[in-house]
Amino acid sequence: AQSVSQHNHHVILSEAASLELGCNYSYGGTVNLFWYVQYPGQHLQLLLKYFSGDPLVKGIKGFEAEFIKSKFSFNLRKPSVQWSDTAEYFCAVNAGDYKLSFGAGTTVTVRA
Amino acid sequence: DTEVTQTPKHLVMGMTNKKSLKCEQHMGHRAMYWYKQKAKKPPELMFVYSYEKLSINESVPSRFSPECPNSSLLNLHLHALQPEDSALYLCASSQGQGRGYGYTFGSGTRLTVV
Repeated sequence: AQSVSQHNHHVILSEAASLELGCNYSYGGTVNLFWYVQYPGQHLQLLLKYFSGDPLVKGIKGFEAEFIKSKFSFNLRKPSVQWSDTAEYFCAVNAGDYKLSFGAGTTVTVRA
Repeated sequence: DTEVTQTPKHLVMGMTNKKSLKCEQHMGHRAMYWYKQKAKKPPELMFVYSYEKLSINESVPSRFSPECPNSSLLNLHLHALQPEDSALYLCASSQGQGRGYGYTFGSGTRLTVV
């Protein structure tokens, strides 16, 4: 069964700092990859997705992610965070079956 | 219309009540999903409907009963729930089932069982 690992449970940083969240998955075949964000009390929003093509994907709100197939990784980055980026971030993988598998999530707290 | 609409947004129900959650999309998506999310946890898949037929039931207790009346609507009927069933229930849809499709999530129904 496929699994998704997010390395950091809770990340705390100051405004303007750079952010990188790790995501690794276990499936060996072709995958679709997603990052979702959930602001406090709100629903899941898609930040970005990778299906094929350029492994560097740009999403909304200044986020980007890089797919490295050899490392089974899809790390999320943002060069300069804002207080409003405080949220829960979920990596998710679809390996071709019905199931979108989520990582455990990373709580990001940005201090003003 | 690029949204998945869920109603109600909040629901409080007793353990002997019967209630229903509703989900609607008008994007022509042929796969629809119910997820359950506990606080600070990732969403967990409950059910998948593909072309209005139940294709996956992730061993969900029978007190949760899904229904897909047509290609735009998905219901989740609730009966005799337990307090531990309190959670955010998310509906999602995709153009098809499987790889190659993006998912659109609704804003969820926050359910409290008392």
